[in-house]
Amino acid sequence: DAGVTQSPTHLIKTRGQQVTLRCSPKSGHDTVSWYQQALGQGPQFIFQYYEEEERQRGNFPDRFSGHQFPNYSSELNVNALLLGDSALYLCASSLFSQGVGETQYFGPGTRLLVL
Amino acid sequence: AQSVSQHNHHVILSEAASLELGCNYSYGGTVNLFWYVQYPGQHLQLLLKYFSGDPLVKGIKGFEAEFIKSKFSFNLRKPSVQWSDTAEYVCAMNTRSGYGGSQGNLIFGKGTKLSVKP
Repeated sequence: DAGVTQSPTHLIKTRGQQVTLRCSPKSGHDTVSWYQQALGQGPQFIFQYYEEEERQRGNFPDRFSGHQFPNYSSELNVNALLLGDSALYLCASSLFSQGVGETQYFGPGTRLLVL
Repeated sequence: AQSVSQHNHHVILSEAASLELGCNYSYGGTVNLFWYVQYPGQHLQLLLKYFSGDPLVKGIKGFEAEFIKSKFSFNLRKPSVQWSDTAEYVCAMNTRSGYGGSQGNLIFGKGTKLSVKP
């Protein structure tokens, strides 16, 4: 049973460029969340996708956008990259639940360096 | 504002010592609580979780955590650590809405690095 996979593992970009990160959820999961983890900090929530729509969004600018495909995989796009966007980007998947809670399972992350 | 605090940045123990890592959250309503672990070179893995019911939850590898609502705490414990427990331990929460469902965003603490000396 494959877990959450992310690509690429590492990426180097320059300021002003655009980047696309990809995530495939764990088998059976239908919800994908994205987080940004700066060095020495805990992950910060960017947004969550369910049924191909953004279900919830954190405090990130519109430069950060996403997409979810019919097979539940997801992309994170960041436009007009800034030096401060350098971070580890984590994808987490879960099974949507109307009940008490969902458990998110994390992928290995994509490390983005903006020069 | 909702937040999670882990007051211990780095804990160093000898093998067989007992472990307790603190986690406190700030939120007046109902929460779900999680402990994740990241072993060296690996990604975040779920250690245990609390949604409701018995406030003492047991996780993998002999870890347990106790939810104390009055103290807004969810401390992680293990009676006897091993060298293989060396890792980063991260506490997280999300909040529950009025209809019972949970918010999608996990709020994380900054993590506690545990080093176990053989």
